[in-house]
Amino acid sequence: AQSVTQPDIHITVSEGASLELRCNYSYGATPYLFWYVQSPGQGLQLLLKYFSGDTLVQGIKGFEAEFKRSQSSFNLRKPSVHWSDAAEYFCAVGAGDTGRRALTFGSGTRLQVQP
Amino acid sequence: DGGITQSPKYLFRKEGQNVTLSCEQNLNHDAMYWYRQDPGQGLRLIYYSQIVNDFQKGDIAEGYSVSREKKESFPLTVTSAQKNPTAFYLCASRGKGTGANVLTFGAGSRLTVL
Repeated sequence: AQSVTQPDIHITVSEGASLELRCNYSYGATPYLFWYVQSPGQGLQLLLKYFSGDTLVQGIKGFEAEFKRSQSSFNLRKPSVHWSDAAEYFCAVGAGDTGRRALTFGSGTRLQVQP
Repeated sequence: DGGITQSPKYLFRKEGQNVTLSCEQNLNHDAMYWYRQDPGQGLRLIYYSQIVNDFQKGDIAEGYSVSREKKESFPLTVTSAQKNPTAFYLCASRGKGTGANVLTFGAGSRLTVL
C-alpha cells in the first residue's frame, strides 16, 4: 500500500527566507506526486504535480519541488517566503494504474511566517 | 467558472441524528471522492465513485453512506453509527485526459456533534 510521510508537523520561517518542506513516499511503482496547500477552513489547492519527465517541477506561487527516486522524496521549496504563504501544506501520492485512483495524503506541515 | 460546491459550510448535529452533506460539481468529472480531515491526520478516504450508480468504500467507510444518482452529485450521509463524526469533510472530483490524476477539491463542510 502507498503511504506518505511529512516529518515536520510545524515549521516557522521569517518572511523573505527560503523554505523547504519534506515529503517521503512509499509506493511500488513510479508514483504520481502532488503538493496541495490549504488555508484555514478552506479546501485544498493544487500547487504542483509530478507525473514523469523532468524531476524538477514548477508550480504556482513560486513553488517548486524535486522528485528524487533514490531517496523516495518529493520536497517542496520556495526561495523567498511571503507572509501570504502561511498555510498547511500536504504532500500526496497517487497510483497511475487503474483502480480507485484516489490520492493518499501525508499528515500535513503547518507553515508559520514571521514578519 | 467550473468547480465543486459543498454545503452547508458549517453543520451542527445532536448525537443520534443522521446528517447529509451535499457535494455538487459542474466540471463534467466522472469520479468523485469524500475525504475526512482531522487535525494532525491529513485526509482519509471515506467513499469514492468512478461512475454514476456505482461507489466503493474507502479506508474509513464505517458509519457513512453515499449515493451517486447523478454525475454532478455525490452526497455523503453521516449516520448515527459513526462514533466520532466531528471533523472537516472534503469532497473532490477527478477528470480525464491531462487532468486524469489531479483531484479538484471543494471548500469543505465542518460538522460538529453537540
